[in-house]
Amino acid sequence: DIVMTQSPDSLAVSLGERATINCKSSQSVLYSSNNKNYLAWYQQKPGQPPKLLIYWASTRESGVPDRFSGSGSGTDFTLTISSLQAEDVAVYYCQQYYSTPRGITFGQGTRLEIK
Amino acid sequence: EVQLVESGGGLVQPGRSLRLSCAASGFTFDDYAMHWVRQAPGKGLEWVSGISWNSGSIGYADSVKGRFTISRDNAKNSLYLQMNSLRAEDTALYYCAKGAPRGEWLFYYFDYWGQGTLVTVSS
Repeated sequence: DIVMTQSPDSLAVSLGERATINCKSSQSVLYSSNNKNYLAWYQQKPGQPPKLLIYWASTRESGVPDRFSGSGSGTDFTLTISSLQAEDVAVYYCQQYYSTPRGITFGQGTRLEIK
Repeated sequence: EVQLVESGGGLVQPGRSLRLSCAASGFTFDDYAMHWVRQAPGKGLEWVSGISWNSGSIGYADSVKGRFTISRDNAKNSLYLQMNSLRAEDTALYYCAKGAPRGEWLFYYFDYWGQGTLVTVSS
């Protein structure tokens, strides 16, 4: 299996400040034939299902505010919230969808709170 | 509007079976792969199983392989998960999620999720 490790496990950031969440995969999720990173980010608020934020490591899903951005390649990835808003309090997960035949794996999650 | 509505969860004894369903609407169901993802109480996300648009490609997590069977009925816009030999560690909220479009491979990101159905395995 590809193991996804997020850091930190929890994070407290002041309103308006930048929040950065890291995700490291145990092997590369970059597919050389199409130069795409098979990496997505999700936001999950309490009592709600996950919501897709970013796919292909850096493509923002339609309707997602542009303060959310994804970067990285190969094994190291970052989700950045440029200016934290109160509604961004949630748990964030990275997901790789590169692996075959073992399938899809998620990071353990990062809890983001307001400082 | 895309809607995914799971049903079939409940309390079941260890070793027994349960069948989950997911009713899809708001998109052309037979153009997309579909998946089940679960979340144990207070824990993270775990992919369970996925099935391609035509059922030609199917995958399972090692933790459920040989016990769970995924299927779909495109005429009914429905996804299913047959869960046999249930264990306490299968206790979770089970989400149905929309995956890859036709022509892409099975493993993909999930752009829509249902609200989930809770499965509790306990004697």
